[in-house]
Amino acid sequence: DGGITQSPKYLFRKEGQNVTLSCEQNLNHDAMYWYRQDPGQGLRLIYYSQIVNDFQKGDIAEGYSVSREKKESFPLTVTSAQKNPTAFYLCASRALTGGYTEAFFGQGTRLTVV
Amino acid sequence: DQQVKQNSPSLSVQEGRISILNCDYTNSMFDYFLWYKKYPAEGPTFLISISSIKDKNEDGRFTVFLNKSAKHLSLHIVPSQPGDSAVYFCAAIIYTGNQFYFGTGTSLTVIP
Repeated sequence: DGGITQSPKYLFRKEGQNVTLSCEQNLNHDAMYWYRQDPGQGLRLIYYSQIVNDFQKGDIAEGYSVSREKKESFPLTVTSAQKNPTAFYLCASRALTGGYTEAFFGQGTRLTVV
Repeated sequence: DQQVKQNSPSLSVQEGRISILNCDYTNSMFDYFLWYKKYPAEGPTFLISISSIKDKNEDGRFTVFLNKSAKHLSLHIVPSQPGDSAVYFCAAIIYTGNQFYFGTGTSLTVIP
């Protein structure tokens, strides 16, 4: 089945540690996105990528880093510089050909920093 | 600055009645609009969309209306069912921009 897989679903880390969230898609989509969801704030864009080895900062990129070494994979690292990392993180992908297209989302990763 | 706004954080509707969820946007360059449905601790799932060249799009019980002059779109669910209870996000994108802008969501409760 085609889709987007985020792992793990739940993640606990100690304050000051870097942590990497995984996102893999087998939809052959060119674009991939990382969003953060906090209560009452909707989905805010962290980073996005339209092509391998290229990515752009979103509205809240500070304290995060990404890589896009393969079309299928777009991991997100939450660094110790992120001041409030506890949140629900969502990865999405989208086809860039074929006209207007929607984004498909993974099931999310709940990160809790203690 | 929030370019897509959903001013109603919550909405309760009786089963069988119509649910109307509203969304406003500020950027007149947006040319594609989407609605997503989200359950707790899950990723959003795509529901329905509309391009700026249309003013209405239907898919079964779901209809999206777009009023470009008012920069307003709405999602109508008829009839509402208990399984429709979820958070609904509207989103907008400029076709050449590739970045989605999401509203803050409206939590819909359909009462049996």
